[in-house]
Amino acid sequence: GALVYQYPRRTICKSGTSMRMECQAVGFQATSVAWYRQSPQKTFELIALSTVNSAIKYEQNFTQEKFPISHPNLSFSSMTVLNAYLEDRGLYLCGARPGVQNTLYFGAGTRLSVL
Amino acid sequence: AQSVTQPDARVTVSEGASLQLRCKYSYSGTPYLFWYVQYPRQGLQLLLKYYSGDPVVQGVNGFEAEFIKSNSSFHLRKASVHWSDSAVYFCAVSGSNNRIFFGDGTQLVVKP
Repeated sequence: GALVYQYPRRTICKSGTSMRMECQAVGFQATSVAWYRQSPQKTFELIALSTVNSAIKYEQNFTQEKFPISHPNLSFSSMTVLNAYLEDRGLYLCGARPGVQNTLYFGAGTRLSVL
Repeated sequence: AQSVTQPDARVTVSEGASLQLRCKYSYSGTPYLFWYVQYPRQGLQLLLKYYSGDPVVQGVNGFEAEFIKSNSSFHLRKASVHWSDSAVYFCAVSGSNNRIFFGDGTQLVVKP
């Protein structure tokens, strides 16, 4: 089946520092990867959608300058939270899409705490 | 743009009772619809999905959902809930742009 691994599962960073998180698709080729954030007591906000051979598309309120994403191949993506502050804390989920399907399969997430 | 409304923030049912979690979507084109579940301190797991064809789709663990186009709804149902079904359930919609948007979620509490 489609498996998605995210690393690290939990991380703590000091306010103003940066934190990189990784996403690995196992057993399938991820033609696109979507990054989401779930802030405390909220739903999942789409940060950006990265599709192979296309530019990464960021949603309103999220920018490449704040959340740079790398998607170098069909099995790996990473995202960095630059200059993290309290409002950036939450659960960051990576969803990977196999082939031409419209379904996203998610990893367990990276939980970011900011001190 | 597409959006999803889950009108019930929390639903409490007794174990063995039937369940319906409501979901309404907004999208001008043909939607792709999903239900995901989030167990405590975990990510999202796919329960079921609808692309086309039979409007009633079966998912894992006895869950099913029905796409009613005239009502823009995709309610989730289960005939008999178990205490292990307690979790937060998210309805989601996607269109031709491949972007998936989630509702606010419904917390399901199953009482013993």
